[in-house]
Amino acid sequence: DGGITQSPKYLFRKEGQNVTLSCEQNLNHDAMYWYRQDPGQGLRLIYYSQIVNDFQKGDIAEGYSVSREKKESFPLTVTSAQKNPTAFYLCASSSSGERNEQYFGPGTRLTVT
Amino acid sequence: GNSVTQMEGPVTLSEEAFLTINCTYTATGYPSLFWYVQYPGEGLQLLLKATKADDKGSNKGFEATYRKETTSFHLEKGSVQVSDSAVYFCALRPRSNDYKLSFGAGTTVTVRA
Repeated sequence: DGGITQSPKYLFRKEGQNVTLSCEQNLNHDAMYWYRQDPGQGLRLIYYSQIVNDFQKGDIAEGYSVSREKKESFPLTVTSAQKNPTAFYLCASSSSGERNEQYFGPGTRLTVT
Repeated sequence: GNSVTQMEGPVTLSEEAFLTINCTYTATGYPSLFWYVQYPGEGLQLLLKATKADDKGSNKGFEATYRKETTSFHLEKGSVQVSDSAVYFCALRPRSNDYKLSFGAGTTVTVRA
């Protein structure tokens, strides 16, 4: 089955620790994305990558970092510099070109205390 | 800039009722428009889309028509079911950037038997 995998579904961390969220896709998509979802708000773009070894900041990149060493993988690190890290994080991917609908993973709920 | 405004929820309906969720947008040029649905605890799924004025997207009994004159993309379903209970997001993708989606805040819909 083709799709996007995010693990784990729930993640708990202490304040001051960095944490890395996993995102893997087997759809052969060139582009991958990370969004943050907070209650009552739409999704906000953190980072996106159009191609391996390249990525761009989205609207709320501060306190986050990413890497894109493989086409299938786009891990997100939530650093201790992120002021309000508790949120639901969604990864997505799309092919390039005009018909590039984004397909989403099941999400990871991160709680930092 | 680009933005999407959705009617605020929550919306509570009885089974077989008619559902409308209003969505208006602000964008330069002619964006593509989308409706995504998020079931409890899951990621987003693309429900329908429209890429040019007067296009009608449809899927699973839901419809939305791209209205350039009113900059709207309202979602409708004639007879809802309990299984339609979810959060619905309107989104746009500008012509100038095929990779960035702008989302509305989401509308929570609950259908009661």
